[in-house]
Amino acid sequence: EIVMTQSPATLSVSPGERATLSCRASQSVSTNLAWYQQKPGQAPRLLIYGASTRATGIPARFSGSGSGTEFTLTISSLQSEDFAVYYCHQYNNWRTFGQGTKVEIK
Amino acid sequence: QLQLQESGPGLVKPSETLSLTCTVSGASISGSSYCWDWIRQPPGKGLEWIGSVCYSGSTYYNPSLKTRVTISVDTSKKQFSLNLSSVTAADTAVYFCARRGEVFDYWGQGTLVTVSS
Repeated sequence: EIVMTQSPATLSVSPGERATLSCRASQSVSTNLAWYQQKPGQAPRLLIYGASTRATGIPARFSGSGSGTEFTLTISSLQSEDFAVYYCHQYNNWRTFGQGTKVEIK
Repeated sequence: QLQLQESGPGLVKPSETLSLTCTVSGASISGSSYCWDWIRQPPGKGLEWIGSVCYSGSTYYNPSLKTRVTISVDTSKKQFSLNLSSVTAADTAVYFCARRGEVFDYWGQGTLVTVSS
């Protein structure tokens, strides 16, 4: 099983600031990496797939990068609606998720 | 607009079988290059992929759950189902159904299933 490790567990950011979230895979997943946003009581929402391709309707302030084992999700200027939990997900070998990074208001 | 809706009992006794159904509306469930998946999330924890049934009829299961999971599809009803046998308290979770091309692009709202006597 490919283990996905996200850091940090919690990120405290002020509105308007940049947030950088990391995800590391225990072995290479190429660019078969997606990011999801989840708010309390809601299903996850697809943000990024193929490591760097924004899903339909996702604002340009969300960007993804990386390949192999190291990936980053960047939110360029945090809006109030962006405070949530973010999960990375590899689909190169079966399907596994990271444990999540909570982005909270500083 | 594609929508998915989970349904089933919210309470299951230990050692029994958890059964859930996902009803798809707004799109075909058959004849497309998609798979239909189940994912769960224990309270306050992360996401775990359970398994899927694909347009070809093939099924794929998380190896850690494989001995207890069955996923099936009823195309006439536009539904797919999850059976998880011999449940314990560790199976208490919100269960989501989702559509998958490469990734999960449409999700149901989720349903909480509690395993308790």
